[in-house]
Amino acid sequence: DAGVIQSPRHEVTEMGQEVTLRCKPISGHDYLFWYRQTMMRGLELLIYFNNNVPIDDSGMPEDRFSAKMPNASFSTLKIQPSEPRDSAVYFCASRGGLAVTDTQYFGPGTRLTVL
Amino acid sequence: GNSVTQMEGPVTLSEEAFLTINCTYTATGYPSLFWYVQYPGEGLQLLLKATKADDKGSNKGFEATYRKETTSFHLEKGSVQVSDSAVYFCALRDSNYQLIWGAGTKLIIKP
Repeated sequence: DAGVIQSPRHEVTEMGQEVTLRCKPISGHDYLFWYRQTMMRGLELLIYFNNNVPIDDSGMPEDRFSAKMPNASFSTLKIQPSEPRDSAVYFCASRGGLAVTDTQYFGPGTRLTVL
Repeated sequence: GNSVTQMEGPVTLSEEAFLTINCTYTATGYPSLFWYVQYPGEGLQLLLKATKADDKGSNKGFEATYRKETTSFHLEKGSVQVSDSAVYFCALRDSNYQLIWGAGTKLIIKP
């Protein structure tokens, strides 16, 4: 299995621009998580999906952030407009059903820099 | 509410030293407990886990024992290597089956 795939690995953009981060979970996993990691705030859960449906988005910082999962093999996290304080590493993780495992598998992350 | 507290880093050790990274938790019931490791430039990966009291998780020479009486899950390794340099995260699984994360502890091993 290829593991969780994220793209791009690095993104540099200017304040005000739209940013789209992409994630392909492990095939067969029905949970998908988006995290943000910064030095100041550590690892934060932004949103998670079960069977493509958003279950808890209470961690999404504000309306500038949105996430979608149009099918079982693809999810996006969009920031519009981006701000310098959004600079962070964004991780996607997936997990199989609880009857199978409770281990989350992380992608390599997207390092976002907003100038 | 549920929470996880880890010792602050960085922890700096010489190669072959004994490692302990403390982790304590607050939770209702008896949650599953996890240690994840993040190597430089990579995502987190599961290192070990324990699902009930007195269970010992182990992997790659690391061990952690689920201690209900002290609500702890300390990570230990008898002889660390330079390749163990990473950030280590303790986590618990809450009643909604989601992970509650500690702040992470950076480990630096010097040759």
